[in-house]
Amino acid sequence: KAGVTQTPRYLIKTRGQQVTLSCSPISGHRSVSWYQQTPGQGLQFLFEYFSETQRNKGNFPGRFSGRQFSNSRSEMNVSTLELGDSALYLCASSLASHLDEQFFGPGTRLTVL
Amino acid sequence: DQQVKQNSPSLSVQEGRISILNCDYTNSMFDYFLWYKKYPAEGPTFLISISSIKDKNEDGRFTVFLNKSAKHLSLHIVPSQPGDSAVYFCAASASFKTIFGAGTRLFVKA
Repeated sequence: KAGVTQTPRYLIKTRGQQVTLSCSPISGHRSVSWYQQTPGQGLQFLFEYFSETQRNKGNFPGRFSGRQFSNSRSEMNVSTLELGDSALYLCASSLASHLDEQFFGPGTRLTVL
Repeated sequence: DQQVKQNSPSLSVQEGRISILNCDYTNSMFDYFLWYKKYPAEGPTFLISISSIKDKNEDGRFTVFLNKSAKHLSLHIVPSQPGDSAVYFCAASASFKTIFGAGTRLFVKA
């Protein structure tokens, strides 16, 4: 069974631009969660999607948004990028809920210049 | 407001000895706790978990202890191996979300 895949793996953008990250969950998994990892801050929860609906949301500004498609694939969008958005963005899939064991993708390393 | 805290950013242990990683949480609503391990350039992988109705869960070399009154959990690795060198995240879950700590980088010296 293929694992969670994320594209692209690396991305360099400049301030003010916008970016879209993609996540393909493990086949059969319907819950997709997104996390931001920065040094010293650990994994900060962005949002969780289930059946194309955002089910939970973390404390991030509205510049961070996401969506989930009918095949459970998910995208995350960040608009008006700021230098502080530079981070590793991780996607995790689970069967039905973030309370199930989560399987993480390798992440997308975003650098904002 | 960090609801899950790992106060030691790093820990160095000799091969064969015990590694103890600690984690504190503040919200008594958390009822499920997990540990994940992360190698560079890879996503975190699930290691071991514990429900709030238990105080200990063991899986091979890994044991997680939960002290609900102190809102504290710990991960014991014994014996530690060089391959255990990684960043370890603890996480606490409730119905609303899963919160991760900042991580502890474990170095196991051969």
